[in-house]
Amino acid sequence: DSGVTQTPKHLITATGQRVTLRCSPRSGDLSVYWYQQSLDQGLQFLIQYYNGEERAKGNILERFSAQQFPDLHSELNLSSLELGDSALYFCASSASWPSGRQETQYFGPGTRLLVL
Amino acid sequence: GDSVTQMEGPVTLSEEAFLTINCTYTATGYPSLFWYVQYPGEGLQLLLKATKADDKGSNKGFEATYRKETTSFHLEKGSVQVSDSAVYFCALTSNSNSGYALNFGKGTSLLVTP
Repeated sequence: DSGVTQTPKHLITATGQRVTLRCSPRSGDLSVYWYQQSLDQGLQFLIQYYNGEERAKGNILERFSAQQFPDLHSELNLSSLELGDSALYFCASSASWPSGRQETQYFGPGTRLLVL
Repeated sequence: GDSVTQMEGPVTLSEEAFLTINCTYTATGYPSLFWYVQYPGEGLQLLLKATKADDKGSNKGFEATYRKETTSFHLEKGSVQVSDSAVYFCALTSNSNSGYALNFGKGTSLLVTP
């Protein structure tokens, strides 16, 4: 158990809909990262938050957004869903950002999204 | 930009065989290198890491050495077990990667048979 929790575990929805994925980092971790894992694209970095502020963006679509709340949990919002958004979405957390190059990121179990 | 290249899988080995999974990288700056493992139906777990050249990471019988001269971080294990069946991902973070997000290879699936 990494200490990172994600809900829900599975999500089935229809095209055009909007969903919210939730992540709670390990106790004391200030950084949260979101990744998408799909068969064709592999594991891709989406976005990072550190202590409530956005720090870095990767291959995140404009239809997707995220935020980190004062209690440090994070939510990833996916809107106008398309079939191609079906994937496994992982959240990871690490202790700090300035020394982040060496930091270990701890991954949650993921949310499997299926868009029909 | 930064990238990681892993050997294509799947790799099938008999129990107690020697394992090597090749990983090479391209990065500007000074990357840290990681191996993560994903067991069926689970999230990713850190297997080992190395943060500077010539460092050796090791865990659970797995080893990898950070070779700057060959830009490689090959994963090895002397005697694999059925329980090692999983997908293995090589990854890096570097100074040039804003936010130090992990940049993953495509993963190598390993199946160990009794």
